[in-house]
Amino acid sequence: QQQVKQSPQSLIVQKGGISIINCAYENTAFDYFPWYQQFPGKGPALLIAIRPDVSEKKEGRFTISFNKSAKQFSLHIMDSQPGDSATYFCAASMVGDFPGNQFYFGTGTSLTVIP
Amino acid sequence: DVKVTQSSRYLVKRTGEKVFLECVQDMDHENMFWYRQDPGLGLRLIYFSYDVKMKEKGDIPEGYSVSREKKERFSLILESASTNQTSMYLCASRSTEPTTNEKLFFGSGTQLSVL
Repeated sequence: QQQVKQSPQSLIVQKGGISIINCAYENTAFDYFPWYQQFPGKGPALLIAIRPDVSEKKEGRFTISFNKSAKQFSLHIMDSQPGDSATYFCAASMVGDFPGNQFYFGTGTSLTVIP
Repeated sequence: DVKVTQSSRYLVKRTGEKVFLECVQDMDHENMFWYRQDPGLGLRLIYFSYDVKMKEKGDIPEGYSVSREKKERFSLILESASTNQTSMYLCASRSTEPTTNEKLFFGSGTQLSVL
């Protein structure tokens, strides 16, 4: 059973446009929601993350919006650039180090930004 | 920054062969993980380890085993490779320090083809 559902599977955006990727989760025990960015030939790398005590977090052109009641969160990329073309994964976890704590990843979104 | 090194970028093996995928991290992290990445399925956890000689099954452990004899090294073993194990394999590590333990550091991946 997919713990985190991600959409869309692929996304094509014009340069300068806004890219939006959505994720939903079921387990209310999750309290940490990161986004990972993966370029071809590389492993994923942490892009931005949020905890449910805030509804939005912004870092440069990247913003996470979080809706706790709906159990949804999304990544917005403003002024999308060709260099943003990558695969994006949302994830959910619980804060803290204990055996069994793991990250649950979405299925990924392949973003292509065309010039 | 943390470096997670996977021994091979590409591997081609025959059905029935025993396959070893090696991963080394240089930041003294307690937690290490093996994921499998397939298009449309995202990142799926195979096994993880939270200490030397400790291992836990993830979501898809069938057909795999792991070994962690030293803190910095986590090996994934395919006892008898099958074609359905053709995939990208990603190793990751994570600190247990309270301020940084939410971040996963990934290697660049090993693309395994089983013929």
